[in-house]
Amino acid sequence: DTGVSQNPRHKITKRGQNVTFRCDPISEHNRLYWYRQTLGQGPEFLTYFQNEAQLEKSRLLSDRFSAERPKGSFSTLEIQRTEQGDSAMYLCASSLLGSSLGYTFGSGTRLTVV
Amino acid sequence: DAKTTQPNSMESNEEEPVHLPCNHSTISGTDYIHWYRQLPSQGPEYVIHGLTSNVNNRMASLAIAEDRKSSTLILHRATLRDAAVYYCILRAVDSGGGADGLTFGKGTHLIIQP
Repeated sequence: DTGVSQNPRHKITKRGQNVTFRCDPISEHNRLYWYRQTLGQGPEFLTYFQNEAQLEKSRLLSDRFSAERPKGSFSTLEIQRTEQGDSAMYLCASSLLGSSLGYTFGSGTRLTVV
Repeated sequence: DAKTTQPNSMESNEEEPVHLPCNHSTISGTDYIHWYRQLPSQGPEYVIHGLTSNVNNRMASLAIAEDRKSSTLILHRATLRDAAVYYCILRAVDSGGGADGLTFGKGTHLIIQP
């Protein structure tokens, strides 16, 4: 297992279009997290899953955002009707419940809305 | 998550020790102190964490004040590859199924001079 994988690495889309990102966590990790990061800021928490259950959602996760983790393995984050303010790096991380170690982050998907 | 305060930036010379401070005066008894770092164009990387006692690993050392209201990340011999943004984060003990989103601040931008 080479770590957390995110695809695509970059996405350019026109305002109003829908986009979907994928995250493949470390296989034995049962928790999966989504974060968003804009330039010069630290990552902001969006949501997390424990297995297939979505246990926490941030207020940042507007109605246009939806995340799924259907079989408790990979996850998708969809943004509908994208806006220029959605331009950011979207980071995925995973961890193992009960482990004292921290999260393992992926390299992120950079979204540019034009 | 309780709030942490870090200097915006610090500068050090290569092959010298670096001490990165973090204040967390509102820390609760069940909060772990976590440190992550983020290299340019990458996702954050876990560095170290602790609860009350000082901790060492292959990457760094963590010194925790006796009252736990502050901590210091120590890089014993900085290299150019240590240039990154370092985040100090408080994370509550994981009780399983509860809130687990990390709150990142802006971190400390560490500059290493050759």
